[in-house]
Amino acid sequence: EAGVTQSPTHLIKTRGQQATLRCSPISGHTSVYWYQQALGLGLQFLLWYDEGEERNRGNFPPRFSGRQFPNYSSELNVNALELEDSALYLCASSSEGLMASTTDTQYFGPGTRLTVL
Amino acid sequence: AQSVAQPEDQVNVAEGNPLTVKCTYSVSGNPYLFWYVQYPNRGLQFLLKYITGDNLVKGSYGFEAEFNKSQTSFHLKKPSALVSDSALYFCAVRDPPTGRRALTFGSGTRLQVQP
Repeated sequence: EAGVTQSPTHLIKTRGQQATLRCSPISGHTSVYWYQQALGLGLQFLLWYDEGEERNRGNFPPRFSGRQFPNYSSELNVNALELEDSALYLCASSSEGLMASTTDTQYFGPGTRLTVL
Repeated sequence: AQSVAQPEDQVNVAEGNPLTVKCTYSVSGNPYLFWYVQYPNRGLQFLLKYITGDNLVKGSYGFEAEFNKSQTSFHLKKPSALVSDSALYFCAVRDPPTGRRALTFGSGTRLQVQP
């Protein structure tokens, strides 16, 4: 069974530009989560998508946004890039549907390393 | 707000010796606890989780964790360390299914296993 995949592996942008990161969940998983792993800040929850809608977001400004497509894959968009956006962005998926009453595991992809110059 | 603490930035152990990576948690309700491992330039790999049930949870690669409610701890253990276990280990607590579903991670503990 294929795991969570992310593209690109590395992305280099300049300040003020926009970055688009992509994620394909494990087959059968409907929930997609995005996390940021920045040096010195640790791992932080960014966004949760399920059934094509943003269901919750972490403490990040609105220039961090995304979407989920009908096939459950997801995009993370970061607008007006700032130097401190440089980080490893991790996508995770789980089979825990919107109305789930039990807790399932989030499985992570290899990440996209975003460098803002 | 829920949180986890990993009090040790680094743990050093000799190959073949038992290892323990410590984690304590703070939650308002039932704890949903996870351990993940991260190898250099890689994503997170799931090791094990505690949702309910037995206090000793067995996971991947010979790892296990002991849930202790009175001490609010969830320490990761392995009876015999391997050099290949050297990596960054994260403890995490999660919202219940009806909540945000976000994982809240500890700061991570770097495990170094010496040959």
